[in-house]
Amino acid sequence: EVQLVESGGGLVQPGGSLRLSCAAAGFNFSDHYIDWVRQAPGKGLEWVGRSKNKVNSYITEYAAFVKGRFTISRDDSKNSLYLQMNSLRTEDTAVYYCTRGSDWTYDYWGQGTLVTVSS
Amino acid sequence: DVVMTQTPLSSPVTLGQPASISCRSSQSLVYTDGNTYLSWLQQRPGQPPRLLIYKTSNRFSGVPDRFSGSGAGTDFTLKISRVEAEDVGVYYCVQATQFPRTFGQGTKLEIK
Repeated sequence: EVQLVESGGGLVQPGGSLRLSCAAAGFNFSDHYIDWVRQAPGKGLEWVGRSKNKVNSYITEYAAFVKGRFTISRDDSKNSLYLQMNSLRTEDTAVYYCTRGSDWTYDYWGQGTLVTVSS
Repeated sequence: DVVMTQTPLSSPVTLGQPASISCRSSQSLVYTDGNTYLSWLQQRPGQPPRLLIYKTSNRFSGVPDRFSGSGAGTDFTLKISRVEAEDVGVYYCVQATQFPRTFGQGTKLEIK
């Protein structure tokens, strides 16, 4: 069974940092792109960034609004993806989901982890 | 970026009746390989999104056949043949043809 479990969310002050984790199970992790998608409270879905798979050299790509502040990394030995978030702003407050890329779609999603940026 | 526009934003439906959601993209979603990478997601209250349809019209594993997707180019539709209570939630279209990936704003399906 494919599983994605996010962790690491919490309350952080503006300008602070947080590292989210996404633990995967039930599939060959290195074969897949893994993306981060976020959802502000009561709002829609917004793509944050992604890590390509091993065949594509684990290249990372980001939405324009996070470039330079967020960094995606992965550790295939732990079947895990990470989102390091620095210089956080109040508008980064959201539930952050990791989702598996497959056949040009998002076929499995984690339950999400809530990040609240507030003083 | 490709802008995805869904209509309606809210859809009150009677149980057992059909429902239809439209998604229009600001650019063609036909990729150079000839495929159209438009998907539909369902998000039930308090739940993460769930994949329903991919590549315009392919139902994902375990999705009831009352859900169907159609369309081409820039105009796409999700149809539910007979709405059930468990279908309540927000539906999103998402395109993977152009970079960055973009989502529609969501359509809330509720029971009358």
